[in-house]
Amino acid sequence: GENVGLHLPTLSVQEGDNSIINCAYSNSASDYFIWYKQESGKGPQFIIDIRSNMDKRQGQRVTVLLNKTVKHLSLQIAATQPGDSAVYFCAEKASGTYKYIFGTGTRLKVLA
Amino acid sequence: DSGVTQTPKHLITATGQRVTLRCSPRSGDLSVYWYQQSLDQGLQFLIQYYNGEERAKGNILERFSAQQFPDLHSELNLSSLELGDSALYFCASSAEGRNTIYFGEGSWLTVV
Repeated sequence: GENVGLHLPTLSVQEGDNSIINCAYSNSASDYFIWYKQESGKGPQFIIDIRSNMDKRQGQRVTVLLNKTVKHLSLQIAATQPGDSAVYFCAEKASGTYKYIFGTGTRLKVLA
Repeated sequence: DSGVTQTPKHLITATGQRVTLRCSPRSGDLSVYWYQQSLDQGLQFLIQYYNGEERAKGNILERFSAQQFPDLHSELNLSSLELGDSALYFCASSAEGRNTIYFGEGSWLTVV
């Protein structure tokens, strides 16, 4: 499948530290990217998005970086809090299509 | 709260049965998407509707079907259910001309 993963990679960070979650996307024609946060038993929640004509976008405590050369996306969370513990997905969409392709996801664990 | 409403939240049914999952998109959103998420797997795109018409199709089984009604709510019909169909089914919606999709809280289907 496009995003099969029985074993999610896990990132453990200390409360207050910065977190960096990475995502490699597959389609060089993708021009729009979203990061979602999914807490256990809940639906994915929109965090931040970025278009391919940008390489950086900042939100509240979050920054998304886009490197089109190597097809890499990252989400930086500043001063990570216990409430940030969740699974984080990146999603990509190619121009002219309606299909979003989701990454496998990364589980973020915040240690007190 | 994303504004996307899904019912039922939980459903337990037997193999061979048929169920219908319902989704009300955010107010004014014309596009509805259905995704399947199995345990510890990513989001698998099933199908998308736009203003009542099928717009994109993903990995949707022939036993599954969907439709979007004139009031823009959507239903996902799952028939001849198998144990492997047990999963979280998410509905998402997006506004006209906007790329961001917003997810509901999902319907958890357990087939026994």
